[in-house]
Amino acid sequence: GAVVSQHPSWVICKSGTSVKIECRSLDFQATTMFWYRQFPKQSLMLMATSNEGSKATYEQGVEKDKFLINHASLTLSTLTVTSAHPEDSSFYICSARDRREGSYEQYFGPGTRLTVT
Amino acid sequence: TQLLEQSPQFLSIQEGENLTVYCNSSSVFSSLQWYRQEPGEGPVLLVTVVTGGEVKKLKRLTFQFGDARKDSSLHITAAQPGDTGLYLCAGVRLSGQLTFGSGTQLTVLP
Repeated sequence: GAVVSQHPSWVICKSGTSVKIECRSLDFQATTMFWYRQFPKQSLMLMATSNEGSKATYEQGVEKDKFLINHASLTLSTLTVTSAHPEDSSFYICSARDRREGSYEQYFGPGTRLTVT
Repeated sequence: TQLLEQSPQFLSIQEGENLTVYCNSSSVFSSLQWYRQEPGEGPVLLVTVVTGGEVKKLKRLTFQFGDARKDSSLHITAAQPGDTGLYLCAGVRLSGQLTFGSGTQLTVLP
């Protein structure tokens, strides 16, 4: 149980285009999903917290107009990188918190490798 | 600004050796977690420590949470090549958000 998937697992796009990444909780409902970015040989940095049915909360320094987050259902959150540039190339990871549990355990997806050329 | 500093940043050891990774913070967290991440994959939770002074064991891995709940350590006994990976500590905020440490890349050579 507690499986989180991401799609696509990797994507290459041209500079200036937009890319959408999906994060799904497969066997549980998630009221809250989190989006992280990880550059090579670095740790995970929280980008935003996504709550179902409400606007995402972005961390300081993360442009909300560039990284659009939609959490339309209890099992799906999407991250759209708009007008992507090479510096946006990174490993994007989502996590989801099970609404049934009282704990704060997060289940992580396998990540999406974005390369902007 | 990284609120959680891990040391060492890189560690390369021979199979069978012991090692300790440290995670230090200037902030107090409600709990602290340790993850291991392999290249191209998401992090996998190893343990959650909640109480100051708590010690948890997971086979050859021993996790300790400092009395003040601001630091933690991970000790691996008789390391194996399968232990190779990026080890991350993460402080859990009251909101449930995680603040990850700077990471320790461990390589265990056969």
